[in-house]
Amino acid sequence: EDKVVQSPLSLVVHEGDTVTLNCSYEVTNFRSLLWYKQEKKAPTFLFMLTSSGIEKKSGRLSSILDKKELFSILNITATQTGDSAIYLCAGFNTNAGKSTFGDGTTLTVKP
Amino acid sequence: GAVVSQHPSWVICKSGTSVKIECRSLDFQATTMFWYRQFPKQSLMLMATSNEGSKATYEQGVEKDKFLINHASLTLSTLTVTSAHPEDSSFYICSAIPGLGLDTQYFGPGTRLTVL
Repeated sequence: EDKVVQSPLSLVVHEGDTVTLNCSYEVTNFRSLLWYKQEKKAPTFLFMLTSSGIEKKSGRLSSILDKKELFSILNITATQTGDSAIYLCAGFNTNAGKSTFGDGTTLTVKP
Repeated sequence: GAVVSQHPSWVICKSGTSVKIECRSLDFQATTMFWYRQFPKQSLMLMATSNEGSKATYEQGVEKDKFLINHASLTLSTLTVTSAHPEDSSFYICSAIPGLGLDTQYFGPGTRLTVL
């Protein structure tokens, strides 16, 4: 059974801090690792990672995948209160044609 | 692009009634759609994978007779919660993949179901 584990489960920081969110996976027929941000409603897509060592970047957010260690991290620099959300990672199983989600990391950024 | 809508956004019903939730891909064709439910402060729980023109694939523990899924076209999938009970109250979210071989899911805004 595919498994995705995120840590920490929750995190409280102050504006301007840098945070690192962790995601480890055990997914058979693994093809990609996806990061999503969920605020009040449904998740919105952040990144899709398929190759090891290649950083993907979008503004203050960046992510990287290590396929040898079965691990990914999501970095957020200079955090803002608007970054407060649940961050979900998911591993895509290409044979099953679906993703397995982790339990998420709840990030709270205080002013 | 890649917008997914859900209707209704929230619904309150009496125990024993059936509720239909629609999921539409507005600007792309989705051969595959997924239905999730999410309890407060918990992650997404995949209920079923819906493929256009074929029967849905349900996850272990999800009652197919209770959660009826129909994917009649490339832009529409429906989830019907039959004979709803209070324990079915949850946040139901659909997602769609815009093409074969693609991994990124685009999520609808979700439907909050409350069964009295």
